[in-house]
Amino acid sequence: AQSVSQHNHHVILSEAASLELGCNYSYGGTVNLFWYVQYPGQHLQLLLKYFSGDPLVKGIKGFEAEFIKSKFSFNLRKPSVQWSDTAEYFCAVNGVYGNKLVFGAGTILRVKS
Amino acid sequence: KAGVTQTPRYLIKTRGQQVTLSCSPISGHRSVSWYQQTPGQGLQFLFEYFSETQRNKGNFPGRFSGRQFSNSRSEMNVSTLELGDSALYLCASSPTSGGASNTGELFFGEGSRLTVL
Repeated sequence: AQSVSQHNHHVILSEAASLELGCNYSYGGTVNLFWYVQYPGQHLQLLLKYFSGDPLVKGIKGFEAEFIKSKFSFNLRKPSVQWSDTAEYFCAVNGVYGNKLVFGAGTILRVKS
Repeated sequence: KAGVTQTPRYLIKTRGQQVTLSCSPISGHRSVSWYQQTPGQGLQFLFEYFSETQRNKGNFPGRFSGRQFSNSRSEMNVSTLELGDSALYLCASSPTSGGASNTGELFFGEGSRLTVL
């Protein structure tokens, strides 16, 4: 069965600090990988996704993630966070067929201004 | 383009009652998935419907059921409510349901927050 592990549950950063959120998945087949974000009071929305090709994918708002197949990892990065990045971030995986996403437990990011 | 609409947004029920939640997907989307979000278990997949057929099902008891109508709108039902069913129920729509053309991107609604007393 698929599973997703996010390394940190709470992260507190100051503005302009760099961000890296860890995500490891467990699945033997070909996967699609996602990072979703949930801003306070808003619905879940897609930050970025990986299906194939270049393992470094860029998303909205300056976020990027790197797929390392040998490590079953898909870590999220941003060089310089802003107060508006305060949100909960979810890593998710699914197989290439179907829309059944398996989510990690989420990481709550708080950016201090 | 209107997003995914879920109703009701908030509801309170008592143990033993049943509840029906509704989801209207983005126009043109034929796949509707349901997720349960709780502080303890996080986001868990309930089921997915595509063209009125259940495509995938998560590990939830039979008290949780759903259906999809010909206009792609979906409902989920929980019977004999238990305290542990208190959660945010999220609906997500997608244009497709798998295959090589599947982008895998889900568009989520704001959820229906169910409290069971």
